[in-house]
Amino acid sequence: GAVVSQHPSRVICKSGTSVKIECRSLDFQATTMFWYRQFPKQSLMLMATSNEGSKATYEQGVEKDKFLINHASLTLSTLTVTSAHPEDSSFYICSVPPLAGETQYFGPGTRLLVL
Amino acid sequence: QKEVEQNSGPLSVPEGAIASLNCTYSDRVSQSFFWYRQYSGKSPELIMSIYSNGDKEDGRFTAQLNKASQYVSLLIRDSQPSDSATYLCAVNRRAGTASKLTFGTGTRLQVTL
Repeated sequence: GAVVSQHPSRVICKSGTSVKIECRSLDFQATTMFWYRQFPKQSLMLMATSNEGSKATYEQGVEKDKFLINHASLTLSTLTVTSAHPEDSSFYICSVPPLAGETQYFGPGTRLLVL
Repeated sequence: QKEVEQNSGPLSVPEGAIASLNCTYSDRVSQSFFWYRQYSGKSPELIMSIYSNGDKEDGRFTAQLNKASQYVSLLIRDSQPSDSATYLCAVNRRAGTASKLTFGTGTRLQVTL
């Protein structure tokens, strides 16, 4: 399967600060990447679709001004949680679909804790 | 009605037994179906994919799909303690060129010694 990395793997920050999470596709180019969030004992919820060279597509209920997505190249997408609050504490996971209609390969995830 | 439904479990099976995990979905136009395994604190990893009705076998795993009943299942033969994890069912609705997956809440499997 595809190799996807995320950085950082874990971050603790103070309320009100911004946190940037990177997602890299290491062995193929990706015009699309997905960002998910998973709260404890819940399933993955799609937050947004990151599109290389254009604006991200956000799912209903996800604030685009709070969760800034930049897909700067075919191998890198970043998610910035702006003015993070304790309720943003979660497990953030990116995924990459190598081919339309095929599966997605997930990064190892980033655990965010906002104090 | 949830788009993808799974029994949350836990499903407890003894070592060596067959574990049967079930999933139903609501969108009839769904075309691709996946089973992911997620260990606690880790991201999901792909176990099986299935696209047409019937059975698909890969080692100890068998995925079964019945589109008429909107039902997909995963059988794990000779269950091992290392199979203890949460199993997520995912459905692809093929939204344009992006493969948007919808996940169930997962079934927690416990394989006991």
